[in-house]
Amino acid sequence: DAKTTQPTSMDCAEGRAANLPCNHSTISGNEYVYWYRQIHSQGPQYIIHGLKNNETNEMASLIITEDRKSSTLILPHATLRDTAVYYCIVRVDTNAGKSTFGDGTTLTVKP
Amino acid sequence: GAVVSQHPSRVICKSGTSVKIECRSLDFQATTMFWYRQFPKQSLMLMATSNEGSKATYEQGVEKDKFLINHASLTLSTLTVTSAHPEDSSFYICSARERGRVYGYTFGSGTRLTVV
Repeated sequence: DAKTTQPTSMDCAEGRAANLPCNHSTISGNEYVYWYRQIHSQGPQYIIHGLKNNETNEMASLIITEDRKSSTLILPHATLRDTAVYYCIVRVDTNAGKSTFGDGTTLTVKP
Repeated sequence: GAVVSQHPSRVICKSGTSVKIECRSLDFQATTMFWYRQFPKQSLMLMATSNEGSKATYEQGVEKDKFLINHASLTLSTLTVTSAHPEDSSFYICSARERGRVYGYTFGSGTRLTVV
């Protein structure tokens, strides 16, 4: 699986958009970009994923650059409950596609 | 949506004893499940891939005789930490994906193991 690079930590004001970047310059053509988050002492929660098109769901938006070497997760209106560690993972999408977690970004949403 | 249940959520055991952790997919079948370990303030580390009806595949550096994995059905995988020691104290997490589903792995809520 391709290696990802994320900032160690970020702060965001409550109600503002949180933009979390991820670099994955060695991503292969068949690898998807996945985002998960982990709230303290819980299992990771799936947020969103994409291959090359931008994606949006009820939780977030995912912007993938045209060369697919980086992406940005956008939480449009961050709340205090969005404080968590956010992991960007690239992975082939098969039943045996294992997820290799990097260090992630600790997002702290402040009032 | 897909739900993965882990049991127990917390366990304290004495050094030298064995502990079994269960991972169940509640509303879907999973041919493959993954087991992770997470030490405090660290990321998740993949330990092994559990395959229904066959032997698990362990990551480099993970002792297969110490961390026994059994995936006897399409909805249940178990991880047994044998002869546990304090250094095995960690947060253990499983994940699974519905067979045939295109995307999205669901993670269990994790098991906090403390060996005293």
